[in-house]
Amino acid sequence: NAGVTQTPKFRILKIGQSMTLQCTQDMNHNYMYWYRQDPGMGLKLIYYSVGAGITDKGEVPNGYNVSRSTTEDFPLRLELAAPSQTSVYFCASRTSTTHEQYFGPGTRLTVT
Amino acid sequence: GENVEQHPSTLSVQEGDSAVIKCTYSDSASNYFPWYKQELGKRPQLIIDIRSNVGEKKDQRIAVTLNKTAKHFSLHITETQPEDSAVYFCAASPDSWGKLQFGAGTQVVVTP
Repeated sequence: NAGVTQTPKFRILKIGQSMTLQCTQDMNHNYMYWYRQDPGMGLKLIYYSVGAGITDKGEVPNGYNVSRSTTEDFPLRLELAAPSQTSVYFCASRTSTTHEQYFGPGTRLTVT
Repeated sequence: GENVEQHPSTLSVQEGDSAVIKCTYSDSASNYFPWYKQELGKRPQLIIDIRSNVGEKKDQRIAVTLNKTAKHFSLHITETQPEDSAVYFCAASPDSWGKLQFGAGTQVVVTP
């Protein structure tokens, strides 16, 4: 199992550009999450999904969108990138019967 | 919503000494409390967790205690080693969707 994978590892965006952060898991987990981590801070939940076709907002959803068309993939879309979205983005997943979340390696995004 | 506070923000200990990190939470419905270790540039790694029906859990040199009445939980690391140096995050989950609210983190430095 590759676990949770994320692409790209690094990305620099200009203000106003858009991009999609990819997240894939091969563990057949129903639950998936997107977090952002600002420098020196804890992680904050952006969006989450409890299964294909079901998504909901977390604590900091503004400026982001998600979709969940398959169990494996949970892409995060940034529209009109802003400097405030400079952060490290982590995707995580878990089964519906246990609490442990498995994190991907993260995507470091800089918006200038 | 849930709010998690974590103290101290930095902790310096001599190798072999113990380290204690404390967290408080606000939502009495929270029922799952994980602790993550994050090394520089890496993903968070779960080191121990506890459910609300348990008061204490131990795994080798690491232990977590939970006081539901006072709404606080603590991480104890005994016989610290240089490889314990990292940022440690506590988190609380107030619902069945597994959404995690993280503390701001504690930078632990173990000096030989």
